[in-house]
Amino acid sequence: SQQGEEDPQALSIQEGENATMNCSYKTSINNLQWYRQNSGRGLVHLILIRSNEREKHSGRLRVTLDTSKKSSSLLITASRAADTASYFCATPQGGSEKLVFGKGTKLTVNP
Amino acid sequence: DTAVSQTPKYLVTQMGNDKSIKCEQNLGHDTMYWYKQDSKKFLKIMFSYNNKELIINETVPNRFSPKSPDKAHLNLHINSLELGDSAVYFCASSQDEPGETQYFGPGTRLLVL
Repeated sequence: SQQGEEDPQALSIQEGENATMNCSYKTSINNLQWYRQNSGRGLVHLILIRSNEREKHSGRLRVTLDTSKKSSSLLITASRAADTASYFCATPQGGSEKLVFGKGTKLTVNP
Repeated sequence: DTAVSQTPKYLVTQMGNDKSIKCEQNLGHDTMYWYKQDSKKFLKIMFSYNNKELIINETVPNRFSPKSPDKAHLNLHINSLELGDSAVYFCASSQDEPGETQYFGPGTRLLVL
């Protein structure tokens, strides 16, 4: 079953602008992770935020987690053309803690 | 240095054939995974091995059989390939239990004709 759902499905912005992607999930979680996938490549882990954290930063990335709303957001500031990729949220689910991925947000940053 | 590598990168084959995809990680991780990504980019876990033992086995046709000769390798063998098996298959690994950070290989693009 789908755990994370990203929103929007696609986002197109100009270089220098900020990009915000959202993820909603259904069950309680230990952590939530964001991954990036460039076209034709594997997924790259960006950031992991634990259930007792509200905000986390990594370079130009800012992730928030609201466990009461079961949602997370990924903000990319001062976007670059190289940020063009699909972004996925993932949450551990079930007794096996398998990672369940959302369908992703396709971000296009126009130069 | 490639952390998680897969071979081959591309695989084009006929229906009914048997094929294997190999995966190796040099990160010293204990847990390895196989994922399938369909044409709509939906990524779903297939299998997970921890120290050569199967710990996650999703509802996958038994034509798919993972094999882990050691904890650095997890191969995927597919028998009697079908058109619907066409997808990108990703191998991944993690240091600890499955719910933590995973490191992905570059993917194997399988096309069944």
